[in-house]
Parts: sequence; C-alpha cells; structure tokens
Amino acid sequence: ETGVTQSPTHLIKTRGQQVTLRCSSQSGHNTVSWYQQALGQGPQFIFQYYREEENGRGNFPPRFSGLQFPNYSSELNVNALELDDSALYLCASARGYGANVLTFGAGSRLTVL
Amino acid sequence: DQQVKQNSPSLSVQEGRISILNCDYTNSMFDYFLWYKKYPAEGPTFLISISSIKDKNEDGRFTVFLNKSAKHLSLHIVPSQPGDSAVYFCAASAGVNDYKLSFGAGTTVTVRA
Repeated sequence: ETGVTQSPTHLIKTRGQQVTLRCSSQSGHNTVSWYQQALGQGPQFIFQYYREEENGRGNFPPRFSGLQFPNYSSELNVNALELDDSALYLCASARGYGANVLTFGAGSRLTVL
Repeated sequence: DQQVKQNSPSLSVQEGRISILNCDYTNSMFDYFLWYKKYPAEGPTFLISISSIKDKNEDGRFTVFLNKSAKHLSLHIVPSQPGDSAVYFCAASAGVNDYKLSFGAGTTVTVRA
C-alpha cells in the first residue's frame, strides 16, 4: 500500500504571499490531519478533515484553511504569510473518524522570507 | 502552552544497553498516549501506545510505562540497536478516539556501536 505523499517538499515564499500545500492520503484512509512543526518543537495540530468537512481545529488563525477532496487527498492553504509560518508542515491520514494512530507524510518545508 | 514535555533533547546509549526516554504532561484530561519515531527526511511513524487504564504496554523491545498520578510516562528500548537512532516524540490525546494529538518536542536518540 502507498503511504502519505506530500508536495512540494520544499518551497520559499515572501511575507504576505499565499501558499498551497498538497497531500495524498494512504490508500483506504478517509481522515486527514495537518500539523505544523516549527524548528526544535513537536508537531502542532492545525485541523482535521473527515468526509470533506473540517471536524476539529487547533489554535491557528483563519488564514490557515484546508480542503479534503472526494478521493481523500487534501490541501492546506495559508494566506498572508508571516515569518513565523516558516516550518515543516506534516500531513497525516488515518482510517476512520477519531483515529489517532496516524500515518504521516515526510512533510513540506516552508520558508517565509 | 506546552502540555507535553520531553525535557531531554538528546540521549546517547551504547548498542545493547537500555534506552529510557521520559515524557511529562500537564493536562489531566489526557488519557491516551503514543510514541512516534522519526528518521531524517521521513514522517513520524507510530511506535507504541498506552491507555490510562494500563500502567504498562509491551511490544517486542519497546515498553511504555505510565504513572498517571505523576503525569509521567517513559519508553524503554531493550536492547538498543543502531537502527533505533532517531527522534522520538511523545504524544497525548484526551481519549483513544480523540484525533487531536499534543506532541512533545522530541528526544534524539543516538545508539553507539
């Protein structure tokens, strides 16, 4: 079975720009979560999608938004980028609502200048 | 507000010896705990978990101990092998069906030959 794949692996943006990160879930998984991992810290929960609807959100402002598609792939969009948004963004998928044994992708490294 | 803390950023251990990783939490609502392992350029992978109704869970060389009154858990790896060199994250949730994980900052384990 294929794992979780994320794209792009690295990208550089400037403050104020917008970014879209993409994720393909593991086959058979219908839940996707996004986490932000700043340098030297553990991953922080951004939000989760189940059946194309956001069903939980962490302490992140509305400029962080997402989508889940019928094939369970997902996007994370961040508007009005700030320097502190520089981080590794991890996508994770799971089978079923409420599952917390997650399968993570390798992440997208975002640098905001 | 860091609700899950891993106070040792790094640990060096000789091959064949025991590795002990520690984790403390502050949120008394947490009752399900997981350990994830991360190699460079890869996403975290699930290692082992424990529910608060247990004080020990074992899976091969890996054992997790939970002391709920002290809000402390530990991961024991016996014997340590070179392939165990990785970053280990402790994570917690408010139940086995709570998808929102709170992670510690991680402990980098280096196993010396």
